[in-house]
Amino acid sequence: DAKTTQPPSMDCAEGRAANLPCNHSTISGNEYVYWYRQIHSQGPQYIIHGLKNNETNEMASLIITEDRKSSTLILPHATLRDTAVYYCIVSSSNTGKLIFGQGTTLQVKP
Amino acid sequence: DTEVTQTPKHLVMGMTNKKSLKCEQHMGHRAMYWYKQKAKKPPELMFVYSYEKLSINESVPSRFSPECPNSSLLNLHLHALQPEDSALYLCASSHLGLANTGELFFGEGSRLTVL
Repeated sequence: DAKTTQPPSMDCAEGRAANLPCNHSTISGNEYVYWYRQIHSQGPQYIIHGLKNNETNEMASLIITEDRKSSTLILPHATLRDTAVYYCIVSSSNTGKLIFGQGTTLQVKP
Repeated sequence: DTEVTQTPKHLVMGMTNKKSLKCEQHMGHRAMYWYKQKAKKPPELMFVYSYEKLSINESVPSRFSPECPNSSLLNLHLHALQPEDSALYLCASSHLGLANTGELFFGEGSRLTVL
């Protein structure tokens, strides 16, 4: 499975968009990009995933570059409850293996 | 019901004890997972079960013994653990073929302390 690189921490003002980058330059053609987050003392929570097209759901948008070597998770209007560790994971759906990297700690500030 | 339930929430055990962690889901998922998470570290995959059969073992020491008695239950049997095994143990479940939903449903975890 391809490795991912994320900044260790980011700040965002409440109400503004939070843009979380992820590099995955060794991604293979059959590997998806998954985003999860973990709020303190809770289990990880699924946010969104995609293969090559941009994706949007009620929580976030996922923008994947055309060469698929990087992606950005966008939380359009961050709230204090979005403070969490955000994990970008690259994996083949066939293996069932989601290997978490170090993640980005997002701090949303009032 | 979209919950994964883990029991107990907290467990303290000695190095000679035998204990078990339990995980239950009623979402009809046929894939179940155990992860281990140390403080301030990401979750580490331990085991994956598909259709009640062990499909992935990430070179986990034999003092951890998983069991999947049926499609709704997943156990982790613990024996002769070391203090460094103290961690949060997370259970998750999903439909097979993550491409369709991409979603693992995680429980809140069982916090284990080995004395």
